Amino acid sequence: AQSVAQPEDQVNVAEGNPLTVKCTYSVSGNPYLFWYVQYPNRGLQFLLKYITGDNLVKGSYGFEAEFNKSQTSFHLKKPSALVSDSALYFCAGGGDNYGQNFVFGPGTRLSVLP
Amino acid sequence: EAQVTQNPRYLITVTGKKLTVTCSQNMNHEYMSWYRQDPGLGLRQIYYSMNVEVTDKGDVPEGYKVSRKEKRNFPLILESPSPNQTSLYFCASRKGPDSTDTQYFGPGTRLTVL
Repeated sequence: AQSVAQPEDQVNVAEGNPLTVKCTYSVSGNPYLFWYVQYPNRGLQFLLKYITGDNLVKGSYGFEAEFNKSQTSFHLKKPSALVSDSALYFCAGGGDNYGQNFVFGPGTRLSVLP
Repeated sequence: EAQVTQNPRYLITVTGKKLTVTCSQNMNHEYMSWYRQDPGLGLRQIYYSMNVEVTDKGDVPEGYKVSRKEKRNFPLILESPSPNQTSLYFCASRKGPDSTDTQYFGPGTRLTVL
């Protein structure tokens, strides 16, 4: 079965510091991976995705993610965190050998402290 | 504005009382999906639809029904709700069957079954 893991339930970072939210995957075939963000009382918003090509993917709001095939990881990063980045972040994806199966990680709550 | 809408946003009901959560998208998307979000579990797919009159089970379909009579609408039906269906529900849509296309999410429906 395909799976996406987010090993940290909670990440705390000071405003202005770099942030990393971790994601690892286990899929069949070539992976495609997404990051979504959920603000309180809102739906999920798309941040970025990796399908193929450059391992460094740039997305919305200054976020980027690095695809690492050897470590089966797709960590979300931002050079300088803002208090407004505080939210719940979901990694999601699947593999091109597995049809319609698309799985979400459990989510990581990011708190940026002023 | 391109969007996915859900109604109601909040619903409290009692065990066994049939209910329907509506979902509508205005992007002419072929693919629509329902998810439930539970703490620590991320989002799990309930049902999806590849197009009008084409629906299929996701990972957690028990206790739910769906229909897709029109392209824009994809209602979720709970014929006899039970307390274990208390959850946050999201409808999503994407352009077509390709899982690498970005999904767009509605604002969510918080359901409590007493």
